[in-house]
Amino acid sequence: GAVVSQHPSRVICKSGTSVKIECRSLDFQATTMFWYRQFPKQSLMLMATSNEGSKATYEQGVEKDKFLINHASLTLSTLTVTSAHPEDSSFYICSARVGRLEAFFGQGTRLTVV
Amino acid sequence: ELKVEQNPLFLSMQEGKNYTIYCNYSTTSDRLYWYRQDPGKSLESLFVLLSNGAVKQEGRLMASLDTKARLSTLHITAAVHDLSATYFCAVDRYSGNTPLVFGKGTRLSVIA
Repeated sequence: GAVVSQHPSRVICKSGTSVKIECRSLDFQATTMFWYRQFPKQSLMLMATSNEGSKATYEQGVEKDKFLINHASLTLSTLTVTSAHPEDSSFYICSARVGRLEAFFGQGTRLTVV
Repeated sequence: ELKVEQNPLFLSMQEGKNYTIYCNYSTTSDRLYWYRQDPGKSLESLFVLLSNGAVKQEGRLMASLDTKARLSTLHITAAVHDLSATYFCAVDRYSGNTPLVFGKGTRLSVIA
């Protein structure tokens, strides 16, 4: 089946620094990818839709200047958390779909801001 | 606003027992997805239910979909400890290449 690879799996950063998370579709082209955030013991919440070659679409309440999304190729989307703060600590998961088939998820990135 | 409601949210069951998790949704979607999540891990796809009346089974898990009632069930038969995890149902937000909208998840603990 289709594979989505996410890197890094864990990252610890200092408050005020930026962190980049990569999401790659390994065996298919993804014109659209989705970024979710999951706080402990909660469900997945959509942050933004990443569109290849155009601007991302952010969900209401998600700061686009803080969570920078770049989808420069058909196999790579990146999420950069800028000026990270402890409240940004969370589990970030990317996803891609092949048409309307089932969604494929990356391994997730555990971000801890200290 | 599209809503996906799961119940129960927490489930502690003894090994060998049966139980059902329910997933209600507010959209007219004709498909529904079930995922499993282990602590600290991402989502593992369990079932993709593509039409009304769809029933799928894998091991001790069986999922069904009733699009008229906007209800899906995940039935656990003779639970074993390895089934302990959080189970999410999800529906398409729109048609086409769309994000998913998830229920809050059911945290299942199977005890001896």
